[in-house]
Amino acid sequence: EAQVTQNPRYLITVTGKKLTVTCSQNMNHEYMSWYRQDPGLGLRQIYYSMNVEVTDKGDVPEGYKVSRKEKRNFPLILESPSPNQTSLYFCASSKYNEQFFGPGTRLTVL
Amino acid sequence: RKEVEQDPGPFNVPEGATVAFNCTYSNSASQSFFWYRQDCRKEPKLLMSVYSSGNEDGRFTAQLNRASQYISLLIRDSKLSDSATYLCVVIDYGQNFVFGPGTRLSVLP
Repeated sequence: EAQVTQNPRYLITVTGKKLTVTCSQNMNHEYMSWYRQDPGLGLRQIYYSMNVEVTDKGDVPEGYKVSRKEKRNFPLILESPSPNQTSLYFCASSKYNEQFFGPGTRLTVL
Repeated sequence: RKEVEQDPGPFNVPEGATVAFNCTYSNSASQSFFWYRQDCRKEPKLLMSVYSSGNEDGRFTAQLNRASQYISLLIRDSKLSDSATYLCVVIDYGQNFVFGPGTRLSVLP
């Protein structure tokens, strides 16, 4: 089944404790991206990647890192999480014009 | 000014009603346009693409006006299962997807 998977689905952590949210797709898509979704603000792009080893900042990259060492994986790294990074995070991949989203990761930073 | 703006809603309509959503975008160089649907606490999913000539998919009709930088979505004969948030999406230069904040629809029995 073609899909985008994210782990963990839910995470509660404390300020400053490094964490990684994994994202994997099995559709051989070149384009992958990370979004955060907050009430009233909609989906905002954090980082995107056009292909392996190519990453670019989106609208809200501060406090986040990504890597794209292989086509299928695009992890999101929070080196020192802060409470303002509490949000719902979505990973997505696309080949042409349709984006396929993962199920989301709900992160709470205390 | 936000790149993609939508009616904030919520729209509460009875079953069988016709409802229309509007969306405006600021970048005249935008290339592609879509409507996505997002159910509560779920991931967004593509509803339909929007073409310059307008396009229809069953009860859903999408229109694009490039001159006015305006996109619309019309839902006829609303069903309870249409209750969701509808996201207007624009692809900018390259493959940069820009999402509107969404319009929430509740179809009432």
